[in-house]
Amino acid sequence: KQEVTQIPAALSVPEGENLVLNCSFTDSAIYNLQWFRQDPGKGLTSLLLIQSSQREQTSGRLNASLDKSSGRSTLYIAASQPGDSATYLCAVFWGYNKLIFGAGTRLAVHP
Amino acid sequence: NAGVMQNPRHLVRRRGQEARLRCSPMKGHSHVYWYRQLPEEGLKFMVYLQKENIIDESGMPKERFSAEFPKEGPSILRIQQVVRGDSAAYFCASSPLPGAVGELFFGEGSRLTVL
Repeated sequence: KQEVTQIPAALSVPEGENLVLNCSFTDSAIYNLQWFRQDPGKGLTSLLLIQSSQREQTSGRLNASLDKSSGRSTLYIAASQPGDSATYLCAVFWGYNKLIFGAGTRLAVHP
Repeated sequence: NAGVMQNPRHLVRRRGQEARLRCSPMKGHSHVYWYRQLPEEGLKFMVYLQKENIIDESGMPKERFSAEFPKEGPSILRIQQVVRGDSAAYFCASSPLPGAVGELFFGEGSRLTVL
């Protein structure tokens, strides 16, 4: 069964810390992996898309890596800010027409 | 280029009524996906449509739920005879390409409350 697991489920840190959010997935035969941000009561904002042939993608203070063979992806957030507080979702596309989501990591960055 | 537009944003229905949720994909996107997020749970795939075709409805409950994406107009998710367990946020996503290649862009969601 294809599943996505995110660790930790919740994280609370002081402003300025560098963070690592983990995502693991069963079955390495993925097409792509996408990281999203969800604010309470809001929709999903796409952060980074990594195709299966890529190892990492960067956007501003965000960097996502992909290791297909070990079934892992990591989202790195540099110099965290209170505005980064949200739930971060990892989603994997294995084909079969659907993205499968992890349960998310709830991040709180306090001043 | 406007994002994925969903309406209504909030919908309240009594048990037994019908709920219709609409999704207008981004301009140029012909692939639409519907997801459901139950309270305190993750997003679950419901259905994938292209214009006038249902490609994959493996996540749709067998009864009361239907979806369409007509040649003209928005995609519609229809829930007949709603029950309390249908209360959830329903998200629509669109893509210019099949999901294996293209990035999915999500709307703000429609939050259904069944009394």
